[in-house]
Amino acid sequence: DSGVTQTPKHLITATGQRVTLRCSPRSGDLSVYWYQQSLDQGLQFLIQYYNGEERAKGNILERFSAQQFPDLHSELNLSSLELGDSALYFCASSGRQGVGEKLFFGSGTQLSVL
Amino acid sequence: GQQLNQSPQSMFIQEGEDVSMNCTSSSIFNTWLWYKQDPGEGPVLLIALYKAGELTSNGRLTAQFGITRKDSFLNISASIPSDVGIYFCAGQRPPGSGNTGKLIFGQGTTLQVKP
Repeated sequence: DSGVTQTPKHLITATGQRVTLRCSPRSGDLSVYWYQQSLDQGLQFLIQYYNGEERAKGNILERFSAQQFPDLHSELNLSSLELGDSALYFCASSGRQGVGEKLFFGSGTQLSVL
Repeated sequence: GQQLNQSPQSMFIQEGEDVSMNCTSSSIFNTWLWYKQDPGEGPVLLIALYKAGELTSNGRLTAQFGITRKDSFLNISASIPSDVGIYFCAGQRPPGSGNTGKLIFGQGTTLQVKP
């Protein structure tokens, strides 16, 4: 158990809908990352938050947004969903920034857009 | 975006065989991490490397930080069925390299072990 909790485990929805994925980082970790993993694809970095502030942005679509709350949990919002958004979405947390940083991943949310 | 070249893409081996995989880049890295992902689960950290030439073991797994700092290797000895999964390398560029410090992941090596 990595200590990173993601909910829900599975999500099935329709095109055009909006969903929210939730992540609770490991106790004490200030940094939260979101990654997308599509079939046969590696891990695509979406966005990072550190202590409530956006720190880095990757290949995140404008239809997607995220935030980190004062209690350090994070939410990833996906709107106007398309079939191609079906993927595994992972949250990872880290307690150390910069050199020597290690990411600990949650079990992911499997999103299916029908 | 920048990616690491991880190879091989997939491997199908017999139980008991040794396995080698690697990650290469044209850029220098100051941290290399190796993760394993089981089906339907998140990646789990196996080994972390912080110094050029460093060799670190975790049970039957051994990883090395390449001397040039542009590559890393993971070896699994005497493979067993539970070694099945996807292995990812991840690297972090040095400060001032134009990178925010975020980890860059390889595309993964899918390992299948035949009992």
